[in-house]
Amino acid sequence: QSALTQPASVSGSPGQSITISCTGTSSDVGAYKYVSWYQQHPGKAPKLIIYDVTKRPSGVSDRFSGSKSANTASLTISGLQAEDEADYYCTSYSSSPTYVFGTGTRVTVL
Amino acid sequence: QVQLVQSGAEVKKPGASVKVSCRAFGYTFTDYYINWVRQAPGQGLEWMGRINPNTGGTNFAQKFQARVTLTRDASVSTSYMEMSRLRSDDTAVYYCARDRGYFYDSRGYHARWYFDLWGRGSLVTVFS
Repeated sequence: QSALTQPASVSGSPGQSITISCTGTSSDVGAYKYVSWYQQHPGKAPKLIIYDVTKRPSGVSDRFSGSKSANTASLTISGLQAEDEADYYCTSYSSSPTYVFGTGTRVTVL
Repeated sequence: QVQLVQSGAEVKKPGASVKVSCRAFGYTFTDYYINWVRQAPGQGLEWMGRINPNTGGTNFAQKFQARVTLTRDASVSTSYMEMSRLRSDDTAVYYCARDRGYFYDSRGYHARWYFDLWGRGSLVTVFS
């Protein structure tokens, strides 16, 4: 099964909002409400920032928000900050295999 | 403290096998599945497979089905990922991560299809 498609890079200035897309198929993103997003800083393990398309774990800034329409999920970062510079990955539950990851997006704060 | 502690870095020759461990602390080991995710240098995350620590049942991404074995030892709250017939392109950081999957409790059916806890990763280098 192919990876979910994300833009390779997105950039923005401090205080701006950016959106990262995650496009799958009717067998994964389009079929289930189980899309999650992970933030990964260099040399670190990924960290869960969004689950079940729109939910934030305790302790995650409300500047992060998620949504979904048809086969595409999106992550929006509002009020961009220097600490948001990282790689971001989406993943979706899938009937087979169990999970599929996105290709990853590098966020640069200008 | 709730955490997953992974074994250290390994250097292997092509054709060899490697076994990476992931020990769980601070929660009931059998309540959560353990997934294995790898990341080659400069590349993205790739889901490999998953084990049910309660039953030992596994499922895999197709590309790993033939070369990867997932096991667990509940007595020490540890999961293991063994990969055989290593190649240079298996050089990567291997992460374990837990998910709850679906489960039933007194309030009914629940689904938790996400990775809420990750290990720090184990670097496997395949080098001749």
